[in-house]
Amino acid sequence: QKEVEQDPGPLSVPEGAIVSLNCTYSNSAFQYFMWYRQYSRKGPELLMYTYSSGNKEDGRFTAQVDKSSKYISLFIRDSQPSDSATYLCAPPYNTNAGKSTFGDGTTLTVKP
Amino acid sequence: NAGVTQTPKFQVLKTGQSMTLQCAQDMNHEYMSWYRQDPGMGLRLIHYSVGAGITDQGEVPNGYNVSRSTTEDFPLRLLSAAPSQTSVYFCASSYSPRGRIANTGELFFGEGSRLTVL
Repeated sequence: QKEVEQDPGPLSVPEGAIVSLNCTYSNSAFQYFMWYRQYSRKGPELLMYTYSSGNKEDGRFTAQVDKSSKYISLFIRDSQPSDSATYLCAPPYNTNAGKSTFGDGTTLTVKP
Repeated sequence: NAGVTQTPKFQVLKTGQSMTLQCAQDMNHEYMSWYRQDPGMGLRLIHYSVGAGITDQGEVPNGYNVSRSTTEDFPLRLLSAAPSQTSVYFCASSYSPRGRIANTGELFFGEGSRLTVL
């Protein structure tokens, strides 16, 4: 079993929709989580990170962690076609040396 | 800064051939790693290194070798290519895993190397 499980995609929404991307984790020791965004034929890039309790907002993006249920969410408001990408959740790499730790990713398409 | 640079971007091999995927970073990162990404299986860690002269296996190391003679470079060698090694390979780097206050545990990725083994 992976330490981070991600809702499978793909996900297709119209422009302007609110998007919710979700992951669950099993290791209570994780202190915070990262969201990476990967455009087609590119490497993943860090989008944002948040500590293992509470929310973090950055423009149209909000990352949320519910420690009690071990649930991680990324919300995108007013989604744009430029948000079309694969989104991956992961704990910091250095918390689990030797293990992959990434979720499988959810591919999002925002249609104009 | 160029960040993490991978070469080649594309490669086609025949079964049994060997090759090396190159990875270089100019951020003075101590940690470097190789992942493969396959549809439906996400990113899987092949090998990693916490500093020059130190390497260790990830989750899917079979068929791959690595070395780390300098801080900047971390090449991945395929010894005898097999069709199962057809994949997109990503090199990633980060600050020391022993951590600094500023180390969020973020990985910096290259653009990827697409390998097809016939």
